[in-house]
Amino acid sequence: KAGVTQTPRYLIKTRGQQVTLSCSPISGHRSVSWYQQTPGQGLQFLFEYFSETQRNKGNFPGRFSGRQFSNSRSEMNVSTLELGDSALYLCASKGLEHEQYFGPGTRLTVT
Amino acid sequence: AQKVTQAQTEISVVEKEDVTLDCVYETRDTTYYLFWYKQPPSGELVFLIRRNSFDEQNEISGRYSWNFQKSTSSFNFTITASQVVDSAVYFCAIKAQGNTPLVFGKGTRLSVIA
Repeated sequence: KAGVTQTPRYLIKTRGQQVTLSCSPISGHRSVSWYQQTPGQGLQFLFEYFSETQRNKGNFPGRFSGRQFSNSRSEMNVSTLELGDSALYLCASKGLEHEQYFGPGTRLTVT
Repeated sequence: AQKVTQAQTEISVVEKEDVTLDCVYETRDTTYYLFWYKQPPSGELVFLIRRNSFDEQNEISGRYSWNFQKSTSSFNFTITASQVVDSAVYFCAIKAQGNTPLVFGKGTRLSVIA
């Protein structure tokens, strides 16, 4: 089985812009979670989608949003980018036994 | 709320040494799951192990072993005969039962020197 894929791998944006990141889970996995990793805050949970419905959300402002499509692919969007949004954004798909398998991440730099 | 503490920020060892990465967790749940992930320089989090709260049996997988002790709320990870390829950041995480997210520790950066 192919692993979790994320696109793009690297992204440079300017403050105030918006960005969309994409994640394709492992085939057959219906749950997709997003995490933000920064040197200061570590790994923080953003949200989880299951069967196109958001079923869990972390403590992030409304500028961070996501969605899931019928094929389980997920996108996350960050609007009005701030310098502090620079981070590695990791997507994970969950199997039947609670473990989450992560993609390679998208490294976002906001200038 | 759940919490994971990895007190060791950075560890440096010489190749072939054994090294133990500590993980202490806090939870009020009776059923929970513990995980270890490895993050090499490429950035991808690699799943290593999952342990259920009701299964305190220790596990060995090749050079890796895990010691789960509910009495001390610890889930430590030992690498035997470390190799340069083991150099990475290692994260311990906890998850409650149900639709809940992983809660990660801050990670331990392991450097294995040849």
